[in-house]
Amino acid sequence: AQSVAQPEDQVNVAEGNPLTVKCTYSVSGNPYLFWYVQYPNRGLQFLLKYITGDNLVKGSYGFEAEFNKSQTSFHLKKPSALVSDSALYFCAAIASGGSYIPTFGRGTSLIVHP
Amino acid sequence: SAVISQKPSRDICQRGTSLTIQCQVDSQVTMMFWYRQQPGQSLTLIATANQGSEATYESGFVIDKFPISRPNLTFSTLTVSNMSPEDSSIYLCSAVDGDIRHSNQPQHFGDGTRLSIL
Repeated sequence: AQSVAQPEDQVNVAEGNPLTVKCTYSVSGNPYLFWYVQYPNRGLQFLLKYITGDNLVKGSYGFEAEFNKSQTSFHLKKPSALVSDSALYFCAAIASGGSYIPTFGRGTSLIVHP
Repeated sequence: SAVISQKPSRDICQRGTSLTIQCQVDSQVTMMFWYRQQPGQSLTLIATANQGSEATYESGFVIDKFPISRPNLTFSTLTVSNMSPEDSSIYLCSAVDGDIRHSNQPQHFGDGTRLSIL
């Protein structure tokens, strides 16, 4: 069975500082990996995805994520955090074979302090 | 990219009643899903809504409790039946055109229905 772990329920960072939101996955075969953001009272919005190719994936709003196969990780990063980045972030994974249904992590609340 | 309209956005219901949530996509999509999101927990897939046939339910969810319709490629409904306080949650509609792994379009989500049962 596939699983996604987001070890931090909450991440606090000061505006202007770099941020990292962690994600590790467990899927059979090669993974397809996704990050979504959810603002209050809104649905999830797609940020970026990794399918194959470069390990560093760039997405919306200046976010990027690094795929690390040996560590089975797909951490979300941004060089300089904004207060408006404060939201709930979800990592998701799908195996290359088998079910096309993604497995989501528990979500990490990012709080950027002014 | 697809835009999903979900309604109602929130509701407060009495125990034992039922509520139907509607999900409208502005373009035809092959896959539609219904999720439940509870505070501090991940998204839980309730079922895949299949056009023209019965929905495919995940473990722990049954048709009698969560009947789903999908009459065409742009619309689906989820009914939460005989509600109890344990059903208080956010219910999210989601859609994707094709296989998420290979589609150029990401998985889209509605803004959710925030349901409270008294």
